[in-house]
Amino acid sequence: GAVVSQHPSRVICKSGTSVKIECRSLDFQATTMFWYRQFPKQSLMLMATSNEGSKATYEQGVEKDKFLINHASLTLSTLTVTSAHPEDSSFYICSATQGNGNTIYFGEGSWLTVV
Amino acid sequence: GESVGLHLPTLSVQEGDNSIINCAYSNSASDYFIWYKQESGKGPQFIIDIRSNMDKRQGQRVTVLLNKTVKHLSLQIAATQPGDSAVYFCAENTGNQFYFGTGTSLTVIP
Repeated sequence: GAVVSQHPSRVICKSGTSVKIECRSLDFQATTMFWYRQFPKQSLMLMATSNEGSKATYEQGVEKDKFLINHASLTLSTLTVTSAHPEDSSFYICSATQGNGNTIYFGEGSWLTVV
Repeated sequence: GESVGLHLPTLSVQEGDNSIINCAYSNSASDYFIWYKQESGKGPQFIIDIRSNMDKRQGQRVTVLLNKTVKHLSLQIAATQPGDSAVYFCAENTGNQFYFGTGTSLTVIP
């Protein structure tokens, strides 16, 4: 089946630094990728939707200058958390789909800890 | 945005029993629905999907039922096993957006 890979699976960074998380669709072309944040024992919270070659659409309340999303190709999207703070520590998950009416597949998630 | 809600936040079942997890959705125009399983610390895994032109779909030990009249979706797991313990989310597809419910935590008691 379709596979979406996230990297790194775990990362620890210092306050004030930036960290990049990659999301790759391994065996299909993903016209749309989504980024989520998840707190313990809570549901997924959609942060932004990105379509290849265009700017990401951010959900209300998500700072686009803090969470930079780039969808440079049909198989890769990146999320960069800039000037990270401890409150940015969370589980970040991406997903990808070939488009309308197609199944959405998730990556394994990336644990970010900001110290 | 659209809301997809789950009736029960937690569910405990005895090993070997059948489990039923429910989900209500709000957009009658949604035409594609998916159930996901998320184990602790991992990303959600696809379980089964159903399109709006169907009212039932079966997989291996799982069945999804769709009632468009009352906008209700359910996931039935037959002969629940300890490995089924996880959080289960439903999702509805509206246009190019997917909206997720809050999740039901299923615990299987050995």
